[in-house]
Amino acid sequence: KNQVEQSPQSLIILEGKNCTLQCNYTVSPFSNLRWYKQDTGRGPVSLTIMTFSENTKSNGRYTATLDADTKQSSLHITASQLSDSASYICVVSARAGDMRFGAGTRLTVKP
Amino acid sequence: DAGVIQSPRHEVTEMGQEVTLRCKPISGHDYLFWYRQTMMRGLELLIYFNNNVPIDDSGMPEDRFSAKMPNASFSTLKIQPSEPRDSAVYFCASSGQDPGANVLTFGAGSRLTVL
Repeated sequence: KNQVEQSPQSLIILEGKNCTLQCNYTVSPFSNLRWYKQDTGRGPVSLTIMTFSENTKSNGRYTATLDADTKQSSLHITASQLSDSASYICVVSARAGDMRFGAGTRLTVKP
Repeated sequence: DAGVIQSPRHEVTEMGQEVTLRCKPISGHDYLFWYRQTMMRGLELLIYFNNNVPIDDSGMPEDRFSAKMPNASFSTLKIQPSEPRDSAVYFCASSGQDPGANVLTFGAGSRLTVL
């Protein structure tokens, strides 16, 4: 069973709308959690990285939250743009080199 | 810095042929990772190196796969003989001294199709 579960698998929204992607994990011990954006045909690019003590981190229109007690994270995208269409991957690190990847959420933003 | 550079970007080969994928990490990065991505399984770690030394190769599917890092600026992933089920996008990524705290920088990937 994958130790990092993401939901939904895919999502379609209209341009300008907000959306929230979910990541639940069972990885232990926990070092940090990252969200990556992967455009079609490209490698993943880091959006945020959060450690155990951080609850919220923003990167422009992207805001990630972390609840280390419930082992849940979310990625909120505000005022979506067509360029936000991509896969969003949650990655949880237990220790150096030991990173567990979620299957990703495929987001499509339509005009 | 040009980022993590991978070659080739695309490779189409016939079953049984040898495939060699190449990676140049970001200068100064101590860690190098090889991943495989498919629709069915997502991103899977194959192997990673620290200071050119393989640390964890438990993700390498079988003996047909091998990886080397002869120096800090170059790594190869070799598949011999290749099979259709090896078709995937192979990513190389590098990271600073502590990949637990630092961001992974991915290359653009090498898309492999084995016929």
